[in-house]
Amino acid sequence: GQSLEQPSEVTAVEGAIVQINCTYQTSGFYGLSWYQQHDGGAPTFLSYNALDGLEETGRFSSFLSRSDSYGYLLLQELQMKDSASYFCAVSGNAGNMLTFGGGTRLMVKP
Amino acid sequence: ETGVTQSPTHLIKTRGQQVTLRCSSQSGHNTVSWYQQALGQGPQFIFQYYREEENGRGNFPPRFSGLQFPNYSSELNVNALELDDSALYLCASSLVVDTQYFGPGTRLTVL
Repeated sequence: GQSLEQPSEVTAVEGAIVQINCTYQTSGFYGLSWYQQHDGGAPTFLSYNALDGLEETGRFSSFLSRSDSYGYLLLQELQMKDSASYFCAVSGNAGNMLTFGGGTRLMVKP
Repeated sequence: ETGVTQSPTHLIKTRGQQVTLRCSSQSGHNTVSWYQQALGQGPQFIFQYYREEENGRGNFPPRFSGLQFPNYSSELNVNALELDDSALYLCASSLVVDTQYFGPGTRLTVL
């Protein structure tokens, strides 16, 4: 089986940096993905890490340590529009069947 | 390029009824996955179709079934609806392993 743990809620102020952690236990591992979901909306893809290290895409970065079964999403220069739920998800096999964590609700305050 | 679309947007059914949800995948994507998302939780994988064949299944009973058509669109069928089936049903299409593109979802309410 597979399980993922991430904090349920994080609050930060506009312009700040926030890190959302994700630890996982899986029977197989291909990669760790991050998705953003605004209330009432669909999850949208943010990043994917298959190998150890940091991937950077604009204000968002994602990190993976396979040996520690750990990853994080780093959001810089926070904006109000970043208020949303963020999910980490594990691909346990090549078929890209994702197992999602419970989500972290990020609230950005002025 | 057209994104993933789903229909209907909302649906209300009663216990014991059957429902069919539809999904049109993004142009060129040959893989479709279905997820169930209860309020306040992460999406749960139901099953995946690749080139019209079921390619994997999550921990859902057989009354959840699906189809994929030659144009890669897909259907999710749920028989004998239960109250706990009330959720947002998400369809996601993909071409490569690392990225799935989600549709807006169908909100199903079972009374």
